[in-house]
Amino acid sequence: DAGITQSPRHKVTETGTPVTLRCHQTENHRYMYWYRQDPGHGLRLIHYSYGVKDTDKGEVSDGYSVSRSKTEDFLLTLESATSSQTSVYFCAISEATGSNQPQHFGDGTRLSIL
Amino acid sequence: AQSVTQLDSQVPVFEEAPVELRCNYSSSVSVYLFWYVQYPNQGLQLLLKYLSGSTLVKGINGFEAEFNKSQTSFHLRKPSVHISDTAEYFCAVSDNNAGNMLTFGGGTRLMVKP
Repeated sequence: DAGITQSPRHKVTETGTPVTLRCHQTENHRYMYWYRQDPGHGLRLIHYSYGVKDTDKGEVSDGYSVSRSKTEDFLLTLESATSSQTSVYFCAISEATGSNQPQHFGDGTRLSIL
Repeated sequence: AQSVTQLDSQVPVFEEAPVELRCNYSSSVSVYLFWYVQYPNQGLQLLLKYLSGSTLVKGINGFEAEFNKSQTSFHLRKPSVHISDTAEYFCAVSDNNAGNMLTFGGGTRLMVKP
């Protein structure tokens, strides 16, 4: 398995609170991604990073921000959580720039916002 | 823009029977295609990928998929399933216009019954 650790694995919080999810990799891969998984939608890209301090938006970026200060860490922040952000969040990594490079996934963080 | 459709949200099948999970995609350029499997409470694992060359691709756990450009399909097959194949399966597509970005289908839940 690719060396990807997501923390926390489970979190319950209240509407309006800030939440930060962490993804840590030991593979020294350049690309890192945050997805959310919801029934019937598969995985949808929130944000991605193509290097330290280099990030860009994905398909469903509203309400989320990211930061990457080190190659190994990619943080996802919900500034003010809403119930619609209840989901399972996955981090992924990939090695190279080509679109033929497979992504490798962490085990996910289950986030519930009450 | 690329998109992926998995026509069946659930596929029930008896153990040792053959199975086909359907995937159709749309893209205006040459594509790279992937199948991922997700076991309960885990992340996604790469089953197989089509990058170029032979249209029949073999993956792990006895699965294979066939790329059909004229029908824009990439169906996943296994001649004889096991209980342990019970999982959710995701088809994903990427192309050179999308960089490293993957677009996922909504997923198909394979339920293998004894």
